[in-house]
Amino acid sequence: ETGVTQSPTHLIKTRGQQVTLRCSSQSGHNTVSWYQQALGQGPQFIFQYYREEENGRGNFPPRFSGLQFPNYSSELNVNALELDDSALYLCASSRTGGTEAFFGQGTRLTVV
Amino acid sequence: GIQVEQSPPDLILQEGANSTLRCNFSDSVNNLQWFHQNPWGQLINLFYIPSGTKQNGRLSATTVATERYSLLYISSSQTTDSGVYFCAVVQGAQKLVFGQGTRLTINP
Repeated sequence: ETGVTQSPTHLIKTRGQQVTLRCSSQSGHNTVSWYQQALGQGPQFIFQYYREEENGRGNFPPRFSGLQFPNYSSELNVNALELDDSALYLCASSRTGGTEAFFGQGTRLTVV
Repeated sequence: GIQVEQSPPDLILQEGANSTLRCNFSDSVNNLQWFHQNPWGQLINLFYIPSGTKQNGRLSATTVATERYSLLYISSSQTTDSGVYFCAVVQGAQKLVFGQGTRLTINP
């Protein structure tokens, strides 16, 4: 059984640029959620995707957007990057919403 | 929204000691998970425990849903147990709400 995988593991972007992060869900899981973790904090919910539709969103601006594909993999897109977007971005998958979630290794984004 | 509080925020112990980490939550929940975040940032699943008690080797967890708390026990600590432990809860079918974590340091 393949676990949750994220790519890339690290990247550095310049303020104002756009970035796309990718996540492959665990086999048999149809729900993907994205979280942002700032240094020294707990992860914060960005949004969740189920059956290719956004199914819940946290307190993040519209420049954070996402997609889910028919194979349940997902992308997180962030436009007009700001310095405060520097964080660890975590993807989680689960069989359905609310059941046990499993996380990928994360993407560490640095905005300079 | 639901609030999750973890205590203590920091815990420093000698190898071989036992520890108890606590997670309080402010409302009823459908799901509660404990995670260990490794030095590279990945969240490792420890327990999925909306209620009751579970054990896995030196680790065990108890959730008392009616009193809105969960405890994570680590016995005979090893240096590899060091890291940040998070409790996270779910209401409904959507987001996990995380506590601020407990940073555990096990000294040899």
